[in-house]
Amino acid sequence: DQQVKQNSPSLSVQEGRISILNCDYTNSMFDYFLWYKKYPAEGPTFLISISSIKDKNEDGRFTVFLNKSAKHLSLHIVPSQPGDSAVYFCAASSVNSGGSNYKLTFGKGTLLTVNP
Amino acid sequence: EAGVTQSPTHLIKTRGQQATLRCSPISGHTSVYWYQQALGLGLQFLLWYDEGEERNRGNFPPRFSGRQFPNYSSELNVNALELEDSALYLCASSRIHSAFFGQGTRLTVV
Repeated sequence: DQQVKQNSPSLSVQEGRISILNCDYTNSMFDYFLWYKKYPAEGPTFLISISSIKDKNEDGRFTVFLNKSAKHLSLHIVPSQPGDSAVYFCAASSVNSGGSNYKLTFGKGTLLTVNP
Repeated sequence: EAGVTQSPTHLIKTRGQQATLRCSPISGHTSVYWYQQALGLGLQFLLWYDEGEERNRGNFPPRFSGRQFPNYSSELNVNALELEDSALYLCASSRIHSAFFGQGTRLTVV
């Protein structure tokens, strides 16, 4: 059961334009969302996060939007740069059923290619 | 503060052998996640340990196992290695909502 879905396996944009990466989730218990960036043969690195009490969080060129009613979040990168080319993973966190453990669930990733 | 460390960085094994991968979490983090990333695929969830207990397991055969030690470090064991086990194995440590990854162990089965 894929609770966090990134339906676009790849995205290609032109340098300087906006990149929009999408993520959908099914579990309404998720209360915190994170985006990670991953280069080949390296571990993912944390990019930006958002709590479910917010609908937007911005950090430099990166903005994450959360639409709780649609169970949808998106990562906007403006302007896109060739160095942004990587796989981007969406992740969601919730308290485990026991009430004390935070379980992290990842999507399968979207490969972003920014063309010069 | 040290990040998540994984060892070894590279591991070459023969089909049928056993592999042991290790992960040291960030100090203060009690949860450890293991993921497999095979070539061209996304992150496949393997195991989640928290406070020394296995909390959840992905859709992998029983020959994938692990444990978490009292100091919260973790081991991933893969028995009876198969060629398709060749992949990048990633460990992440987590506390509450934060999660940080190590650089991974590249396992090659020949």
